[in-house]
Amino acid sequence: AQKVTQAQTEISVVEKEDVTLDCVYETRDTTYYLFWYKQPPSGELVFLIRRNSFDEQNEISGRYSWNFQKSTSSFNFTITASQVVDSAVYFCALSELESNFGNEKLTFGTGTRLTIIP
Amino acid sequence: KAGVTQTPRYLIKTRGQQVTLSCSPISGHRSVSWYQQTPGQGLQFLFEYFSETQRNKGNFPGRFSGRQFSNSRSEMNVSTLELGDSALYLCASSLEGRAVIDTQYFGPGTRLTVL
Repeated sequence: AQKVTQAQTEISVVEKEDVTLDCVYETRDTTYYLFWYKQPPSGELVFLIRRNSFDEQNEISGRYSWNFQKSTSSFNFTITASQVVDSAVYFCALSELESNFGNEKLTFGTGTRLTIIP
Repeated sequence: KAGVTQTPRYLIKTRGQQVTLSCSPISGHRSVSWYQQTPGQGLQFLFEYFSETQRNKGNFPGRFSGRQFSNSRSEMNVSTLELGDSALYLCASSLEGRAVIDTQYFGPGTRLTVL
C-alpha cells in the first residue's frame, strides 16, 4: 500500500529565512506521481507542483524549489526567503497508476503547518 | 477559466439527517473526486467519478454515496449523519482522472458540522 509521511507537524521560522518541508513516500510501483499542495486558512488546496517517478530533475519556481530523490524516496520542498504569505499547511501527495484507465487517487501526508513570523 | 466550485460552503446538520453536497468542475474536466478532511484522519479519498460512472472508491461506509451528471457536475450524499462526519469535504476535478497526464485541482470545500 502506498504511504506518505510528513514527519514535521509544525514549523515556525522568521520571515526571510529559508525552510525545507520533508516528504517521504512508500510505493511498490515503478510508475507514480508526486505532488505538493498548499492549504491556506481559506481551506482550498492549491496545486504547487507535480513530478513523475521517471523525472528526478530538481525544479525551481521563483522562491520555491523541490528536491526529488528516488534513492531515499523523498520529495522535499524548500521555500527561500520566506514571506508571511507562505504561512499555510503544506501537503505532499502520491498517486499511483492503478490501471490503464487511470483511477487517479491521491494519498496525502498529514501535512506540515508552516508559520512565518514577521 | 473558473475554478472548481462547491456549494454550500458551510452546513450545519443534526445527527440522523442526510446531506447533499454539490461540486462543479473546471470547464472541460470530466473527472471529479471527493475527499474528506478531518483533524484526526487527515485527507482521505472518498470516490472518483468519470462520465457518470464511479471508477474508484475509498474505504468509507455505504452511507457515503455520490453521482455525476452528464455535464460532469457531481453530488455527494451522506445519509444518517454521525458526529464523526463533521469535516471539510473537498472536491477535485481533472481532465480525465488519469495520473499519466492529469493534475487534480481542488475547490474551496464544504465545511459540514454535525450536532
